[in-house]
Amino acid sequence: EAEVAQSPRYKITEKSQAVAFWCDPISGHATLYWYRQILGQGPELLVQFQDESVVDDSQLPKDRFSAERLKGVDSTLKIQPAELGDSAMYLCASSLQGRGLAGFNEQFFGPGTRLTVL
Amino acid sequence: EDQVTQSPEALRLQEGESSSLNCSYTVSGLRGLFWYRQDPGKGPEFLFTLYSAGEEKEKERLKATLTKKESFLHITAPKPEDSATYLCAPNSNSGYALNFGKGTSLLVTP
Repeated sequence: EAEVAQSPRYKITEKSQAVAFWCDPISGHATLYWYRQILGQGPELLVQFQDESVVDDSQLPKDRFSAERLKGVDSTLKIQPAELGDSAMYLCASSLQGRGLAGFNEQFFGPGTRLTVL
Repeated sequence: EDQVTQSPEALRLQEGESSSLNCSYTVSGLRGLFWYRQDPGKGPEFLFTLYSAGEEKEKERLKATLTKKESFLHITAPKPEDSATYLCAPNSNSGYALNFGKGTSLLVTP
């Protein structure tokens, strides 16, 4: 069964350091999402890609966070510099919908990257 | 502004004791409402999508229903393996991102 892959699964870093997370969506899924989930809360969208283009990054703290999906397949989320408040689970999700497709498809999530900033 | 409220925050049931979880929402133009299950330390797992008021969907011991303001996740004769956090997420026609509630943490004891 096709799955969304993420790495690393766990990351411990010190504040002011740079960290990067990688996501490989389900093959053929045009839309890719990065969410952040703080313990006890629901996931919150950071950035949404449609193929290689950013569709929504209104909640992405752009002074320290960046995301790219250069070839419209896998994606990288970077934080530089990391702050204590960035400790959370970072989730990647993908869905089928692409330009010109009708309907609305469910999002499938990867296992997440648990980030701890010391 | 879109809002989602899930209740209760936590629920403890005895095995076989049926109950319901509530998801109240306010969104401009509902495109669909999603239910996910999340086990500790893992990503959310898709359960159901509901598109219009009156729609119902079932999967094993779970049944999801939808009205214009709420969705319910009914759990019939739960088992310990149903213990998890259940998240609901309505989606408005302003975009494809999901607006998640905080979830209901369900514990089913033998």
